[in-house]
Amino acid sequence: DAKTTQPNSMESNEEEPVHLPCNHSTISGTDYIHWYRQLPSQGPEYVIHGLTSNVNNRMASLAIAEDRKSSTLILHRATLRDAAVYYCILIMYSGGGADGLTFGKGTHLIIQP
Amino acid sequence: DAGVTQSPTHLIKTRGQHVTLRCSPISGHKSVSWYQQVLGQGPQFIFQYYEKEERGRGNFPDRFSARQFPNYSSELNVNALLLGDSALYLCASSFALMKSGTGLRQPQHFGDGTRLSIL
Repeated sequence: DAKTTQPNSMESNEEEPVHLPCNHSTISGTDYIHWYRQLPSQGPEYVIHGLTSNVNNRMASLAIAEDRKSSTLILHRATLRDAAVYYCILIMYSGGGADGLTFGKGTHLIIQP
Repeated sequence: DAGVTQSPTHLIKTRGQHVTLRCSPISGHKSVSWYQQVLGQGPQFIFQYYEKEERGRGNFPDRFSARQFPNYSSELNVNALLLGDSALYLCASSFALMKSGTGLRQPQHFGDGTRLSIL
């Protein structure tokens, strides 16, 4: 799978929007962009995914650059519960469908009250 | 609906022993994957099982094995435990095979893991 690059950590204030960037300059045309987050002492949790168009769901928004070489996860109003490690993952179609998710180190998001 | 459940939550073993970890997927999910997460790192893929067959394997030694049962639950076995096997072991389930046409657009649902400590 193509590689992603994320900042090691970011800090934001409660009730403010948070923009988490992800660079994926080697993305291929069929790679889906998925975001997961992992709260302390829990397993990863799916947040959102997209292919080319921007996406919104109840948790967050995903903004995908026109050339698809970068994307941004947007938390519209951060709460203390959003403090977690956020992983940006590219998933490529594989005919056999065999491989798992490739996690990097992610971005450690710190929320200040 | 119940999420992915893993047992036990914590386990302490000594070097050389073997261990069996268990995972119950979300009802209706046919794919189960296993991951190892060492402290400070992201999870690393170990196995994917789909319809009771191994469909993918990560870069782990043969001491690691797994199986999936007719009810789609799964076990991960690790033999001849080493200190380096100390980690959080995560199970994830989904309806479709990951990276298939359908699987690309489906989330993986993770359990909260089994914390394995090797003394």
